[in-house]
Amino acid sequence: QVQLVESGGGVVQPGRSLRLSCAAPGFTFSRYGMHWVRQAPGKGLEWVAVISYDGSNKYYADSVKGRFTISRDNSKDTLFLQMNSLRAEDTAVYYCARDPSNIVVVPALYGMDVWGQGTTVTVSS
Amino acid sequence: DIQLTQSPSFLSASVGDRVTITCRASQGISIYLAWYQQKPGKAPKRLIFVASTLQSGVPSRFSGSGSGTDFTLTISSLQPEDFATYYCQQLNSFPLTFGGGTKVEIK
Repeated sequence: QVQLVESGGGVVQPGRSLRLSCAAPGFTFSRYGMHWVRQAPGKGLEWVAVISYDGSNKYYADSVKGRFTISRDNSKDTLFLQMNSLRAEDTAVYYCARDPSNIVVVPALYGMDVWGQGTTVTVSS
Repeated sequence: DIQLTQSPSFLSASVGDRVTITCRASQGISIYLAWYQQKPGKAPKRLIFVASTLQSGVPSRFSGSGSGTDFTLTISSLQPEDFATYYCQQLNSFPLTFGGGTKVEIK
């Protein structure tokens, strides 16, 4: 069964770091681009970052550029989001999502066809 | 960045109603638009991509149309399981952006 399983969320103080993981059993992970999308409490969806199938191309939202790093380990079928210098406004549910395209180009055709259940990050002192 | 404006932000409708949600882009995005449905406490689910292509398994009462700057999501006959929040997303350029959402509630 195709699924994505996020982990690594929690409560962290402002300025600290956190690393999220997204395990991808059930499909050939190395063939797909992957995204992170977040949702602040009671708010809408915000795209965070995308990585190509081989990790060679990455793009970020301006709000996280320079602080967050998306990466992947295809040998372990796992996607990561390293979050540094966390701020209160980074508090959100973080979803990983699959892109049916392997490369990362725009315009893109497909959007995100498979989503994880989300992991909650709370940045608070 | 491309801004997406959804309207209405909230609508109240009855089972069996025809519902139309609009998404307007701040600049032309051709057909590079997707629609998602999200229920409370759940992850989003893709309904439509490239403006009008229905995701496999999504009921045919859902349809999408539009190109350029104006897009619509239509539910031809609202069912109880359709009460949710709907988001459009532009895929034309980075950063990818979502509309603010339309919450569909039971009248």
